[in-house]
Amino acid sequence: DGGITQSPKYLFRKEGQNVTLSCEQNLNHDAMYWYRQDPGQGLRLIYYSQIVNDFQKGDIAEGYSVSREKKESFPLTVTSAQKNPTAFYLCASSMVRGGGQETQYFGPGTRLLVL
Amino acid sequence: SQQGEEDPQALSIQEGENATMNCSYKTSINNLQWYRQNSGRGLVHLILIRSNEREKHSGRLRVTLDTSKKSSSLLITASRAADTASYFCAGNQAGTALIFGKGTTLSVSS
Repeated sequence: DGGITQSPKYLFRKEGQNVTLSCEQNLNHDAMYWYRQDPGQGLRLIYYSQIVNDFQKGDIAEGYSVSREKKESFPLTVTSAQKNPTAFYLCASSMVRGGGQETQYFGPGTRLLVL
Repeated sequence: SQQGEEDPQALSIQEGENATMNCSYKTSINNLQWYRQNSGRGLVHLILIRSNEREKHSGRLRVTLDTSKKSSSLLITASRAADTASYFCAGNQAGTALIFGKGTTLSVSS
């Protein structure tokens, strides 16, 4: 069954704590992305990666970090420097053709809440 | 760096009516994509239209693209209650990530 998975579905963070959100895909896609969505808002790009061991900052990268050690995996760490982390986090992946992104496939999301 | 801006922000219609959503973007694109999101879920791809295409159909969906006006529209015909969702457009430039707009929230009542 091909697809993109995110875990956990809900995550609770204590103040000052770093937490890591998992994203895995078995679609053999080159590119992976992390977005943040606040209530009633659109998606804002945090980080993206078009190839293993390389990634670029999006519009709101401050307070977040990523790694891309394997093609299938793109974990996102929300660090203690992110002062307002409560949001819905979406991971996506896509093929890259001719330098442009094709259709993005999204995971089900992780909802992060601060205790 | 918004590459898609939908209009209207919210749309309420009756079942059976058509729903039209518009999208404007700022710079030249390779393709423009439309996505749907049900509340609390991930986004689902609906349709992709390339910069050299003017119109595309998929089932009850019809998408147009006017590159001279940097705009696109999504038409859902004969809407159903199950079409209730948020709809997003996103423009794609070579070498950059897809950038999404804030979406149109569609409510279809029976």
